[in-house]
This record gives sequence, structure tokens and C-alpha cells, in this order.
Amino acid sequence: DQQVKQNSPSLSVQEGRISILNCDYTNSMFDYFLWYKKYPAEGPTFLISISSIKDKNEDGRFTVFLNKSAKHLSLHIVPSQPGDSAVYFCAARSGGSYIPTFGRGTSLIVHP
Amino acid sequence: NAGVMQNPRHLVRRRGQEARLRCSPMKGHSHVYWYRQLPEEGLKFMVYLQKENIIDESGMPKERFSAEFPKEGPSILRIQQVVRGDSAAYFCASSPSGATNEKLFFGSGTQLSVL
Repeated sequence: DQQVKQNSPSLSVQEGRISILNCDYTNSMFDYFLWYKKYPAEGPTFLISISSIKDKNEDGRFTVFLNKSAKHLSLHIVPSQPGDSAVYFCAARSGGSYIPTFGRGTSLIVHP
Repeated sequence: NAGVMQNPRHLVRRRGQEARLRCSPMKGHSHVYWYRQLPEEGLKFMVYLQKENIIDESGMPKERFSAEFPKEGPSILRIQQVVRGDSAAYFCASSPSGATNEKLFFGSGTQLSVL
């Protein structure tokens, strides 16, 4: 049973446009959410996070939106750059667990 | 290099052999997590350890797999009698104290190939 779902395996975007990556979760106990970025042959690197007490967090070109009622979060990248091409993992954590649960990832390709 | 160090980067084993994967956490981090990524899959949690303690091993197969994080030295993930299905990328991550709002720092992974 996947508690964190990234239903789009891949996304293709033109350079300069917005990339929107989506993530849904089923466990209402999740209260902290993270996005990681992963290049081939490397480990995931932290990108941005959001606590459940917020509905938006912004860091430069990256913004994460959280809709708790819909159990949905999204990562917006504006403007997208070719160097953003990577696999993006959504992860969620609950106050009662130390262990983040990851989605399957979305492969983003940004075309020049 | 102060990051999470994993070695080896690539490990090839024949069926039935043992695989040992090592992970040195970031300096000052006492919490280690192991994840496995099968082809076309996401990151699956395996085990969470603190120094000399296994905190949660709910994601680790009950047989053939074991993990430790001794007082001195790296964390070790050990797979005995490997089978082809063990072929995957194994990632280690560390965090300072395991708090809910802490981010995990990942190593570059060990790619295990079982022939």
C-alpha cells in the first residue's frame, strides 16, 4: 500500500516554463513533507520542505504548496532550467515516526 | 569531504555470496537510515539505526539481511546468500538527531549486482 504517490512517472517541460510536480498521500498523520532531487548515479539531495502548519514554502525558483484537505502537495519550479532535469522524490513523515516515506519519483526533463 | 560516504560504489556478487555495504554518516550525525531502490521503483525504507542500536527494522527482510552501527566505525548492511532479486541501489542517509523536521542527507549509494 503506497502511502505517498507520485502518479506521473515523467514530465517534459520547455526551458523557461513552469514545472509542476504532484504528490498525493493517504496517511493523515503525515505532518512534514520533503522534496528530494536525484541525478543518475548520485544519491538524492534535499530540495525543499514544508510543515503541515503551512500551505506554502518558497525557496528561490522552488515553491511547495500543501493542500491538507486534499492530501496533496505540489512542487513548482519557475523558471525551469535544463539543469533541473532529474528525478524528483516526494517524501512524508509523521510526528510519530522518524522515517520518511518516499514516493516512486517523477522524472523531469527540461528541454533547451 | 564531510558528506555521507558509502562504499563500495559498485559491488558484484554471485548468487550465494555475501554482500557488505558500508556507510559513514556525516560528521556529527548519529542516526543512519538505509533505503533500497529497485529498478523502476522508489526508495524503500529498510532500517533505521543509532549508534549501537537498531531503532526500526520494519522494512528489512527477516532473512539474510542484517544491519549494524557500532560505536566506532561505519554502519554496515549485510546481505547473506545473495539472490538476483537483491540487485538494486542501496542508499544510506544520516541525520543529526532523528527529529521529525530534520532532513536526511544521502550518500551516493552502492549499486549491487548479483550474477
